[in-house]
Amino acid sequence: DAGVTQSPTHLIKTRGQHVTLRCSPISGHKSVSWYQQVLGQGPQFIFQYYEKEERGRGNFPDRFSARQFPNYSSELNVNALLLGDSALYLCASSLATGGWQPQHFGDGTRLSIL
Amino acid sequence: KNEVEQSPQNLTAQEGEFITINCSYSVGISALHWLQQHPGGGIVSLFMLSSGKKKHGRLIATINIQEKHSSLHITASHPRDSAVYICAAPPLKGNEKLTFGTGTRLTIIP
Repeated sequence: DAGVTQSPTHLIKTRGQHVTLRCSPISGHKSVSWYQQVLGQGPQFIFQYYEKEERGRGNFPDRFSARQFPNYSSELNVNALLLGDSALYLCASSLATGGWQPQHFGDGTRLSIL
Repeated sequence: KNEVEQSPQNLTAQEGEFITINCSYSVGISALHWLQQHPGGGIVSLFMLSSGKKKHGRLIATINIQEKHSSLHITASHPRDSAVYICAAPPLKGNEKLTFGTGTRLTIIP
């Protein structure tokens, strides 16, 4: 079975542009979480979606938004990109919501802002 | 002070050595995750534990809930174990909002 897949793998944008990152969870997983990992740091929680509803939001500005589709795939959108948005964006899926659920991570999308 | 702290930040050891990575957390948690991240960026979940000890191959994870401390051990370390090891804790209740440690970069020299 396919694991969590993210696209694109790499992306280069300039300041002020917007970007859409995509995530397909493991088949049967209904929860998707997004994390931002800046170089040299641990990942930071951005959003969690379960059954197409937002269940959690981290300390990120409103330029960051996300949604989950009926097939449980998810998109992360970032508007008005800043240099500081350069990071690895990770998606993780789990069967259900709850911190005790094992999470399965994708390989990430590496976003570079010029 | 971070809610989840790891030590050491960097660790270099010879092949075959016994490795210990420590994780301390200051929040109530429902479980603690140990993750492995290779240079390409992808993260693999190694363990999730809420009490006691778990073992998988040469990897052992322990947790002491009262002391809010967990350790990851690697026996007979091998160069392929070189990676960043991250512990992460979700909140006691609610969603999967994991709070991550900053990671331990492990390098095993042949």
